[in-house]
Amino acid sequence: DGGITQSPKYLFRKEGQNVTLSCEQNLNHDAMYWYRQDPGQGLRLIYYSQIVNDFQKGDIAEGYSVSREKKESFPLTVTSAQKNPTAFYLCASSILGDRDEQYFGPGTRLTVT
Amino acid sequence: AQSVTQLGSHVSVSEGALVLLRCNYSSSVPPYLFWYVQYPNQGLQLLLKYTTGATLVKGINGFEAEFKKSETSFHLTKPSAHMSDAAEYFCAVSDLTQGGSEKLVFGKGTKLTVNP
Repeated sequence: DGGITQSPKYLFRKEGQNVTLSCEQNLNHDAMYWYRQDPGQGLRLIYYSQIVNDFQKGDIAEGYSVSREKKESFPLTVTSAQKNPTAFYLCASSILGDRDEQYFGPGTRLTVT
Repeated sequence: AQSVTQLGSHVSVSEGALVLLRCNYSSSVPPYLFWYVQYPNQGLQLLLKYTTGATLVKGINGFEAEFKKSETSFHLTKPSAHMSDAAEYFCAVSDLTQGGSEKLVFGKGTKLTVNP
């Protein structure tokens, strides 16, 4: 089955530690996205990538980093510089050039204490 | 830049009643519009989308939405609510970044409660 996988589902970290969230897709999509979701805030774009080895900051990139070494993979690192890292993180992908829908993974809930 | 406003962060209906979730957008180009549904602790699933053509679009689970350009609206409806419809619903519009990349702009969401 084609789709997007995110792991782990739940992640717990101590304040001051960096943590990497995994996102893999087998849909052969060129574009991939990371969103952060907080209650009542909707989805906010962190980073996106249209091609391997290239990515751009979204609306709330501070305290986050990404890489895109393979088409299928787009990991997100939440660094210790992110002031409020506890949130639900969603990865998505889409076909480029269609202005079309994005396909979402199941999400990772990160709790930092 | 495009934006989306969802009127009502919480909507409560009785089972069997009409569901109406409101979405208004602003767009400087012909909009592509989407409704997604999210169940607790899950990702988003596409309900329906409008790109071009027929302004009344039908989606999964009996939902439909009508694109009204004059009102800049894309409200989501379902004639008869089911308990399984309880979820959070997000309206989104397609946008372009400053660099010309594509992205979606989401509303803040409407949480639907269905009462027995």
